[in-house]
Amino acid sequence: QKEVEQDPGPLSVPEGAIVSLNCTYSNSAFQYFMWYRQYSRKGPELLMYTYSSGNKEDGRFTAQVDKSSKYISLFIRDSQPSDSATYLCAMSDTGNNRKLIWGLGTSLAVNP
Amino acid sequence: DAGVTQSPTHLIKTRGQQVTLRCSPKSGHDTVSWYQQALGQGPQFIFQYYEEEERQRGNFPDRFSGHQFPNYSSELNVNALLLGDSALYLCASSRGETQYFGPGTRLLVL
Repeated sequence: QKEVEQDPGPLSVPEGAIVSLNCTYSNSAFQYFMWYRQYSRKGPELLMYTYSSGNKEDGRFTAQVDKSSKYISLFIRDSQPSDSATYLCAMSDTGNNRKLIWGLGTSLAVNP
Repeated sequence: DAGVTQSPTHLIKTRGQQVTLRCSPKSGHDTVSWYQQALGQGPQFIFQYYEEEERQRGNFPDRFSGHQFPNYSSELNVNALLLGDSALYLCASSRGETQYFGPGTRLLVL
C-alpha cells in the first residue's frame, strides 16, 4: 500500500462547477499537508498549505484536513478553464520544507 | 526576482552514461531538494542539501549523488544510467517554510 493514495482521474467538469479533489494517507505522523498544481511540462506550484487538522480558504480554493480519517480535500469553486492542470497532494511529518511524500496527482479538465 | 532555475531543460543520454543536472535556488533560499517524477507519477524525494551537506535522503541508490555549493546552488549526478532513470528531475528551494519548484530537467535514457 502506498503511503499516499490519490485517484489519477481524469476529471472533466464544465466551467463554473465546484471541483472536489482528495487524498488518503496511511502514516499518522504526517502533520503538514500541501496541494500543488502542475501544468504540463512545468514544475509544481504550491496552492495551499495546512498544518494539522482544519480548513483553510484562499480565494476560490478551500483545503480541508481530517486527521482522524487520514483524508484531505481540495475544493475549487467557480472553476475556470485556466484551472485545467494536474493537482497533487503532498505531505510531510517533519515540515513542509522537508521531505515531501506525494500522491499520483489528479488530472483536471475544465471545459468552457 | 528570478525563481528556481534548472539546466539543462532537456537531455538525452544512453544507458551506462553519467549525467549532471544543475539548480539555482530562489534568491535568499539556502536549502535545495531534488525529486524524480516519472511520467504519470507524483514526485519521489531523492535528497535535500542544507549548508553544503546532505541533510535527508530518500530511497534512491548510491548512483544518485549531489552537491551544494557555497552560493547554495546544487548539482544532481546520476552514474551508470538505466532506462528507468528517464524522468522529469525537479529541484525545489526553500528557506524556512515552503518549497518552490523549478521547471525541471527532462532526462531521456535510451
